[in-house]
Amino acid sequence: SAVISQKPSRDICQRGTSLTIQCQVDSQVTMMFWYRQQPGQSLTLIATANQGSEATYESGFVIDKFPISRPNLTFSTLTVSNMSPEDSSIYLCSVVVAGAQETQYFGPGTRLLVL
Amino acid sequence: GNSVTQMEGPVTLSEEAFLTINCTYTATGYPSLFWYVQYPGEGLQLLLKATKADDKGSNKGFEATYRKETTSFHLEKGSVQVSDSAVYFCALTGAAGNKLTFGGGTRVLVKP
Repeated sequence: SAVISQKPSRDICQRGTSLTIQCQVDSQVTMMFWYRQQPGQSLTLIATANQGSEATYESGFVIDKFPISRPNLTFSTLTVSNMSPEDSSIYLCSVVVAGAQETQYFGPGTRLLVL
Repeated sequence: GNSVTQMEGPVTLSEEAFLTINCTYTATGYPSLFWYVQYPGEGLQLLLKATKADDKGSNKGFEATYRKETTSFHLEKGSVQVSDSAVYFCALTGAAGNKLTFGGGTRVLVKP
């Protein structure tokens, strides 16, 4: 497995502002993903974070709203831009560890409340 | 496309009771199947997995068997504890690589 940390763990933000969430892993990983979990719901994949290139977004998610960076193998950021109350969710990063294909491990999540 | 269906909760039971959470899936090819658990206020933890038909995944007293003939991966535990209170998610990865498709989650509440 891997030790995955996310910052911040939670935040309360005003509508119209942006928040950048960081995901750091303690070992090299082959893939990194970002998910959203709306209140009381399951997880929805936002995008695959690609090292050194643009992320691959799922249907319904766009780069202007959720810009993602992955400058190296162990770090990624997700920005939630121009926030509205509908963006209130838990945002989780997940990784596939080198040598443990098919299995994703999740970070602790960032709990975001937009007022 | 791929999909996962799991029984709706909440499931409420007493300590030491038997727990079953049903999970069925639709996928092309031969998916890998997973159970994740989310304790209150925390992220997701991998509970167990199975990567091919008839494999049994097990961990912390939980078991699930990959049944290709019934496209199912039901989670079971013989004697639950209060600490097992959580939301349980069934998921799969399919032919498209590592993208996880999740079921809706099942909340389990174990009472003393």
